[in-house]
Amino acid sequence: GESVGLHLPTLSVQEGDNSIINCAYSNSASDYFIWYKQESGKGPQFIIDIRSNMDKRQGQRVTVLLNKTVKHLSLQIAATQPGDSAVYFCAENIGGNNRLAFGKGNQVVVIP
Amino acid sequence: NAGVMQNPRHLVRRRGQEARLRCSPMKGHSHVYWYRQLPEEGLKFMVYLQKENIIDESGMPKERFSAEFPKEGPSILRIQQVVRGDSAAYFCASSPEAGGTEAFFGQGTRLTVV
Repeated sequence: GESVGLHLPTLSVQEGDNSIINCAYSNSASDYFIWYKQESGKGPQFIIDIRSNMDKRQGQRVTVLLNKTVKHLSLQIAATQPGDSAVYFCAENIGGNNRLAFGKGNQVVVIP
Repeated sequence: NAGVMQNPRHLVRRRGQEARLRCSPMKGHSHVYWYRQLPEEGLKFMVYLQKENIIDESGMPKERFSAEFPKEGPSILRIQQVVRGDSAAYFCASSPEAGGTEAFFGQGTRLTVV
């Protein structure tokens, strides 16, 4: 079956520090992964994506790492800010049609 | 360019009533996806539609739920004879292509069944 899961339910981080959120996936055929940020009462907001032919991709203050050998995905947020407080989901593209399988989410709490 | 628009934002229905959730995709997007999110859980795929076609409805409950994306107008997710367990946030996403591209989400419709 397919499943995407997150290791840590809650991450508390001091403002200015770096955050790392981990995600494991089980479908080795998946070729596209996305990280979403969801604030309370809002829809998921795209952060960064990565295709399976890449190991690393960088955006503004965020980096996604993909380790296909162990089916592991991580999101690194540099210099975490209060506005980064949210639930973060990794999502896996199933079947090549943008049907996404989401993990349960990881709450990030930024301490000022 | 407006984002994905969903309405209503909040919907309250009594058990047994019908709920209609609407989604207008981003301009130029012809692929629409519906997801359901229960409290403190991730989103679960329900259905994938293109204009006038249901492509993948493997996540839809077999009874009471239906979806359409007509040639003109928004996509509609319809829940007949709602029950308490249907209470959730329903999100719509759209994308310009079928796979390997960013899907943009709306703000969701929060359905409460009383």
